[in-house]
Amino acid sequence: EADIYQTPRYLVIGTGKKITLECSQTMGHDKMYWYQQDPGMELHLIHYSYGVNSTEKGDLSSESTVSRIRTEHFPLTLESARPSHTSQYLCASSDPGTGSRYEQYFGPGTRLTVT
Amino acid sequence: KNQVEQSPQSLIILEGKNCTLQCNYTVSPFSNLRWYKQDTGRGPVSLTIMTFSENTKSNGRYTATLDADTKQSSLHITASQLSDSASYICVVSDRGSTLGRLYFGRGTQLTVWP
Repeated sequence: EADIYQTPRYLVIGTGKKITLECSQTMGHDKMYWYQQDPGMELHLIHYSYGVNSTEKGDLSSESTVSRIRTEHFPLTLESARPSHTSQYLCASSDPGTGSRYEQYFGPGTRLTVT
Repeated sequence: KNQVEQSPQSLIILEGKNCTLQCNYTVSPFSNLRWYKQDTGRGPVSLTIMTFSENTKSNGRYTATLDADTKQSSLHITASQLSDSASYICVVSDRGSTLGRLYFGRGTQLTVWP
């Protein structure tokens, strides 16, 4: 069982609200990731981090922002939520692995609904 | 374009039966291929990971195969159980970047009936 946690698990909010999705891991992993997943669709990488003070945008354009002030914590923020942001958000972290055989561990996800 | 295609999109089998899920990919340069199990409303959990030189990898009742020449992989589930009901995702990693980019398939939704 991976030690990576996400809160809240479910969130229903109104348009225009600011929200922060929390993600934390206790494995000491440097690399962390945020993915967005719609039902029946593949995961899309929206943000990643190589370590403290490192954040990069992923392949899917997202209006969200992230921060990495501590190794174990990688929160995602939406300044003004819109219905188009409705989706499942998955956080992950990866161990160093051996070469390219790093293992990626996923949190349980946050199901966000914007009304 | 790097892609991962899975088939079938969904599958229903009876408890105790075997099944095989397919994955074709075009990711290059290839690094490794993973199979994940994702229960509804949960994050994916790794089942197997195979590199170029590995043809088969087992994890309990799950056996994955890889043909790097034809860029195909399969996941065989033996003696299915109700708890096997989930989405099975094929993920291919490239070695063209320091991040080790992962390309995800859309998954095969498996339902096991009693």
